[in-house]
Amino acid sequence: NAGVTQTPKFRILKIGQSMTLQCTQDMNHNYMYWYRQDPGMGLKLIYYSVGAGITDKGEVPNGYNVSRSTTEDFPLRLELAAPSQTSVYFCASSYDRGRYEQYFGPGTRLTVT
Amino acid sequence: AQTVTQSQPEMSVQEAETVTLSCTYDTSESDYYLFWYKQPPSRQMILVIRQEAYKQQNATENRFSVNFQKAAKSFSLKISDSQLGDAAMYFCAYRSAVGSEKLVFGKGTKLTVNP
Repeated sequence: NAGVTQTPKFRILKIGQSMTLQCTQDMNHNYMYWYRQDPGMGLKLIYYSVGAGITDKGEVPNGYNVSRSTTEDFPLRLELAAPSQTSVYFCASSYDRGRYEQYFGPGTRLTVT
Repeated sequence: AQTVTQSQPEMSVQEAETVTLSCTYDTSESDYYLFWYKQPPSRQMILVIRQEAYKQQNATENRFSVNFQKAAKSFSLKISDSQLGDAAMYFCAYRSAVGSEKLVFGKGTKLTVNP
């Protein structure tokens, strides 16, 4: 199993541009998450999904959109990129809620200039 | 809202010795889960150990163990026989047993292992 994969690994955007961060998991997990990690901070939840067709906002959803058309994929869309969105983005998945481990992807480092 | 505090931004330990990383949290809930994640320079977040709040027994995974004090809302991580590969950022995280899906993370502790 590849686990959770993310593309791209690095990206530089200009202010106002848009992009989609891709996330795929091959563990047949229902739960998927997007986090961002700012320098010197822990991760903060942007959006999550409990299954195909179901998404919900996390702690810091402004400026982002998500969709979940399949169990495997959970892309994160950035519209009108701003410098405040410069961060490292992590996708994660888990079999279920509660005690179940969240498996993380390797992250995408995004810089908006 | 729940919060997680890691009061040690950086710690260092000599190889083969023992180190303890501190974590405290604030919650009004009685049922929840606590986790320690490791983030090496590769950035990959890796689960080290987890603790269910309803269990009195402290969790142990090989060289890693926790000291869970529910009344004090404390969840420290002890690493025994430290190895060079243990060098990383360590994050303490909280997850509610019901309701919110999110992991609430502390700011992390950077652990350096000296040879």
